[in-house]
Amino acid sequence: AQSVTQLDSQVPVFEEAPVELRCNYSSSVSVYLFWYVQYPNQGLQLLLKYLSGSTLVKGINGFEAEFNKSQTSFHLRKPSVHISDTAEYFCAVDRGGSNYKLTFGKGTLLTVNP
Amino acid sequence: GAGVSQSPSNKVTEKGKDVELRCDPISGHTALYWYRQSLGQGLEFLIYFQGNSAPDKSGLPSDRFSAERTGGSVSTLTIQRTQQEDSAVYLCASTTMGGGSEQYFGPGTRLTVT
Repeated sequence: AQSVTQLDSQVPVFEEAPVELRCNYSSSVSVYLFWYVQYPNQGLQLLLKYLSGSTLVKGINGFEAEFNKSQTSFHLRKPSVHISDTAEYFCAVDRGGSNYKLTFGKGTLLTVNP
Repeated sequence: GAGVSQSPSNKVTEKGKDVELRCDPISGHTALYWYRQSLGQGLEFLIYFQGNSAPDKSGLPSDRFSAERTGGSVSTLTIQRTQQEDSAVYLCASTTMGGGSEQYFGPGTRLTVT
């Protein structure tokens, strides 16, 4: 079985500060990794994904994430956040490319303050 | 193009009543998922449809929950004899075949059982 742990349920930051949202996963097989964002009262939207190749993945809105196999982590980063980045962020794992039963973490609420 | 749509956006029902939630996936997407999002619990997989294959119902929490997908397109999630613990946001997603494909989410149906 696989699981996803998002280490912080809430992350408050000031505008223009850097941010890192942490995600660790456990799986006995290779995985695909995703970060989704959910703005208030909306569905989820894909930020970025890691399938293979370069471990540094760039996504939309200036976000990036680094896959670290030895640490089983996939932390999300942005060098300078905007108030519009306030949202809930979900890390998810797809076991071995099965493309179903995405396992999601419990989410991290990022609040960007002026 | 049109995204995933869900209806109703909000549903308030009395305990013990049956409810039906509808999902219209993106045209041409063969895979459809239902998830449940409870406060502070992340997304919980409920059921998965892929083409004409038998659905994966392993995430349904009880036999009060059922879902069908007619003609490989529209899907309905039915909850019978609703309980207060069924209160949550129910999200639908669709995708094309292929490992690592992005799941496209609808805006969800917020169900409140009183």
